[in-house]
Amino acid sequence: GAGVSQTPSNKVTEKGKYVELRCDPISGHTALYWYRQSLGQGPEFLIYFQGTGAADDSGLPNDRFFAVRPEGSVSTLKIQRTERGDSAVYLCASSPLAVNTGELFFGEGSRLTVL
Amino acid sequence: AQKVTQAQTEISVVEKEDVTLDCVYETRDTTYYLFWYKQPPSGELVFLIRRNSFDEQNEISGRYSWNFQKSTSSFNFTITASQVVDSAVYFCAASNTGNQFYFGTGTSLTVIP
Repeated sequence: GAGVSQTPSNKVTEKGKYVELRCDPISGHTALYWYRQSLGQGPEFLIYFQGTGAADDSGLPNDRFFAVRPEGSVSTLKIQRTERGDSAVYLCASSPLAVNTGELFFGEGSRLTVL
Repeated sequence: AQKVTQAQTEISVVEKEDVTLDCVYETRDTTYYLFWYKQPPSGELVFLIRRNSFDEQNEISGRYSWNFQKSTSSFNFTITASQVVDSAVYFCAASNTGNQFYFGTGTSLTVIP
């Protein structure tokens, strides 16, 4: 597709389970971001990739969260031992710029609900 | 780091009215970028505009206009002759030359037909 694709669109899981969220960026976009958006809040930065490497992971809340982008395209956000507080919409965005001072192209997000 | 404040949580206007969404930012950087994004009910954030800290010129794009004033650290967004399709949550965001975008908490705009 032409835009950023995120799967699944909805994920319901139980506390303590492991979850993977996938992001397929726009073809050719070198920069990829993960954000988390809680209800009534703005997106909160989690991690930024430039190519295959995580250039900035300072937004990851703790070591239960991890993200990879092994081939510089698709990225997977992994959450271990999920907690109820992890419930949020996880947004992925990509950008064609190496140093991102431009616009981000967002996907529709993956809504995670931890019961 | 930057901080972005959108004091207006919710706004309702009647169609064809003008509406201004406020955004105040805080930063210690001399070079920074300001953005507005629209988030319709589908959830996908859509880029509207970017301004850099060296360009205080106001900008108009159709019914949209933006007023950037460094003296008051504000980057306000005005929609003229609002339409029902403008109903969405609007986010102001700031970024330095790094990789993090700092978003405000958003303003939910409802345009009543």
